[in-house]
Amino acid sequence: ETGVTQTPRHLVMGMTNKKSLKCEQHLGHNAMYWYKQSAKKPLELMFVYSLEERVENNSVPSRFSPECPNSSHLFLHLHTLQPEDSALYLCASSHREFLDSQETQYFGPGTRLLVL
Amino acid sequence: QKEVEQNSGPLSVPEGAIASLNCTYSDRGSQSFFWYRQYSGKSPELIMSIYSNGDKEDGRFTAQLNKASQYVSLLIRDSQPSDSATYLCAVTFGNKLVFGAGTILRVKS
Repeated sequence: ETGVTQTPRHLVMGMTNKKSLKCEQHLGHNAMYWYKQSAKKPLELMFVYSLEERVENNSVPSRFSPECPNSSHLFLHLHTLQPEDSALYLCASSHREFLDSQETQYFGPGTRLLVL
Repeated sequence: QKEVEQNSGPLSVPEGAIASLNCTYSDRGSQSFFWYRQYSGKSPELIMSIYSNGDKEDGRFTAQLNKASQYVSLLIRDSQPSDSATYLCAVTFGNKLVFGAGTILRVKS
């Protein structure tokens, strides 16, 4: 148990569906992240939130919509996804967005998404 | 473009041997280096961090850093089948953490 939880753990959705991924961190961190991990590719940073404000959007398509209502919760709203969006979606948190020396990110268990 | 390079593997070692995992990075100014382990279908788990040149040991794991060569490695002594996983190298570039694609390690009993 890492202190970062994600639900659901698995999700199958059609291209016309709307669904949401949820992340919650119990570590008292102020920064939260969404990553996409596809097979044999590096982790792709999607969004960064610091103190509930979005500070980075790495050219992510608008069919992915993040929401951060408070520093402990992060959502990723999904709509009209494509099959190539099938991947493992990982949430992470860190004490602060600006990583000081000797600080890193801690990951949740991920949501395995399959888009049909 | 900030890059972290790893050999994708798989690296196969017999049980009890030393596994050596390597990582190079593109920014000479990087200060912090991390190794994560990721089992199939699971999320990355932090196992080692290193910030200064030289070696850092933690149990069966030793991280080695050479900033002049922009090279960081992870040695796993007495490798066990349970060490079979993908090992991700992560490097800070300024205030960003950039991950390599990972090296698959297989420890055969």
